[in-house]
Amino acid sequence: EPEVTQTPSHQVTQMGQEVILRCVPISNHLYFYWYRQILGQKVEFLVSFYNNEISEKSEIFDDQFSVERPDGSNFTLKIRSTKLEDSAMYFCASRDTGRGEGYTFGSGTRLTVV
Amino acid sequence: QKEVEQNSGPLSVPEGAIASLNCTYSDRGSQSFFWYRQYSGKSPELIMSIYSNGDKEDGRFTAQLNKASQYVSLLIRDSQPSDSATYLCAVKSEDFGNEKLTFGTGTRLTIIP
Repeated sequence: EPEVTQTPSHQVTQMGQEVILRCVPISNHLYFYWYRQILGQKVEFLVSFYNNEISEKSEIFDDQFSVERPDGSNFTLKIRSTKLEDSAMYFCASRDTGRGEGYTFGSGTRLTVV
Repeated sequence: QKEVEQNSGPLSVPEGAIASLNCTYSDRGSQSFFWYRQYSGKSPELIMSIYSNGDKEDGRFTAQLNKASQYVSLLIRDSQPSDSATYLCAVKSEDFGNEKLTFGTGTRLTIIP
């Protein structure tokens, strides 16, 4: 079964450092998303991406965050200057073109900011 | 702010019994509804989707939707210990052509052998 792949599975970084989280969505999917889940809390929407541009972003997705699709397969989330409160699981998701389709989530990257 | 509400539990159900999970949502215009299962430390896994009022069955799972009451539920028949997980209700909303899933906090389900 096709899957969304995320790397690394766990990243530890010092406060103020830049991190890049990587995702390879399912190959024929065109819609991509980043979500995050702080430990014990709900899964929260960060950003949606279609046709090489951001479709929608949440209040969480401030100027410290950016997304990029550098080639035909990868989809990245960059946090420019990490804060302690950025510590969370970050999930990439993708979906097919049908508007009723659910999202397929990757296995996640656990980001720990120290 | 579009809200999705779930009872956080924990919900304990004996093995072999029916587990019933409930969800309400605030956006009356929502058209697509999903149930995800999330094991501790893992990512959400899609188990059911439902778009029309009524019931939709898939194996031991039945999703129920009532748009008038803005209510979605998931029934798990013949509950197994492997069903112990957090179940997330997700509602797809659309604004100006952009859509996203909004998740509830999840209901933690424990199946007691």
